[in-house]
Amino acid sequence: NAGVTQTPKFQVLKTGQSMTLQCAQDMNHEYMSWYRQDPGMGLRLIHYSVGAGITDQGEVPNGYNVSRSTTEDFPLRLLSAAPSQTSVYFCASSYGPDNSPLHFGNGTRLTVT
Amino acid sequence: AQSVTQPDIHITVSEGASLELRCNYSYGATPYLFWYVQSPGQGLQLLLKYFSGDTLVQGIKGFEAEFKRSQSSFNLRKPSVHWSDAAEYFCAVGEGTYKYIFGTGTRLKVLA
Repeated sequence: NAGVTQTPKFQVLKTGQSMTLQCAQDMNHEYMSWYRQDPGMGLRLIHYSVGAGITDQGEVPNGYNVSRSTTEDFPLRLLSAAPSQTSVYFCASSYGPDNSPLHFGNGTRLTVT
Repeated sequence: AQSVTQPDIHITVSEGASLELRCNYSYGATPYLFWYVQSPGQGLQLLLKYFSGDTLVQGIKGFEAEFKRSQSSFNLRKPSVHWSDAAEYFCAVGEGTYKYIFGTGTRLKVLA
């Protein structure tokens, strides 16, 4: 059982480049989400999805795009990378509402130069 | 608005000593409360959760936490810390939906 799988583990981008962070889960979870983790700021929600075809913005959505075409996959797109997007990104999923515990991937460390 | 405060950024304890990590939340109703642990280079792993019922909850790795409504707190405890407990610990609160609010984390260092 793989759980939540994120790729790549590390990425370096130049300012203005675009890229997609991949996230897949094999637990048939309804809810999937993307967080960024910055020192001293904990985890901040970027975007989330409560099912295929349904997405919504979190706390810090600017500069990011998401889609959910299948239950399993929830990619995060950086449209035009900026140094402020240097961070560690985590994908997380849960079974459903009522705040089921989140299952996290191992993260993607992104550096934008 | 909901908020979660972890007042201690860093805590250092000796191996074998007891541990208490503090978490305070702001929420009108009874919250859903969680503690997660993050080892270096890893994602977050659930230690324990509180939804309702007994206010003292047991988790994995010998951790426990107590919900105190009067103090709006959900402190994490362990009677005897092991070197492998060195990690960062996050408290989180939910409102019974899909929304979770995380604290800023407490980094635990364990001295041999």
